[in-house]
Amino acid sequence: AQSVTQPDIHITVSEGASLELRCNYSYGATPYLFWYVQSPGQGLQLLLKYFSGDTLVQGIKGFEAEFKRSQSSFNLRKPSVHWSDAAEYFCAVSGGGADGLTFGKGTHLIIQP
Amino acid sequence: DGGITQSPKYLFRKEGQNVTLSCEQNLNHDAMYWYRQDPGQGLRLIYYSQIVNDFQKGDIAEGYSVSREKKESFPLTVTSAQKNPTAFYLCASSTLGAYNEQFFGPGTRLTVL
Repeated sequence: AQSVTQPDIHITVSEGASLELRCNYSYGATPYLFWYVQSPGQGLQLLLKYFSGDTLVQGIKGFEAEFKRSQSSFNLRKPSVHWSDAAEYFCAVSGGGADGLTFGKGTHLIIQP
Repeated sequence: DGGITQSPKYLFRKEGQNVTLSCEQNLNHDAMYWYRQDPGQGLRLIYYSQIVNDFQKGDIAEGYSVSREKKESFPLTVTSAQKNPTAFYLCASSTLGAYNEQFFGPGTRLTVL
């Protein structure tokens, strides 16, 4: 069975500092990987996705993520965070079919002024 | 504008009552999904449907039922058999292509009184 681990429940970063959110997955074949962001009481918005090809993928709002097969990781990064980035971030994996995503438990990002 | 709508945004239910959550999409997507979100638990798949008049159980289907009579609609019924129904419920949709990028609605918060 596939699974996703987000080791950090909460992360606090100062505004303007760099950010890295960790994601490790377990999947037997080539995974399809996603990062979503959720503001309080809202739905999820897709930040970026990896299907194949270049292992460094660019997303919206200045985010990027790097797929490392040898480490089973898909970490999310941003060079300089803004107060508006405070939210819940979810990593998810799929086998490529239309049978649902498997999500990690999320990382809550807090931005310090 | 294309998107997914969920109604109502907030829903209160007495113990022992069934309640139905609405999900409608105008993205012309074939696949639709229901997820449950609890604090610190990420999202867990309840049911999904890839075609009209057909649906499959997800990881936590017990106490829930769905129907898919129209392509654009996928209502979820939370029955009295669901032991702990208070949660945030999210509906999503996607194409049937290999990349399974899911688009999410704004969610319904269900509280059992």
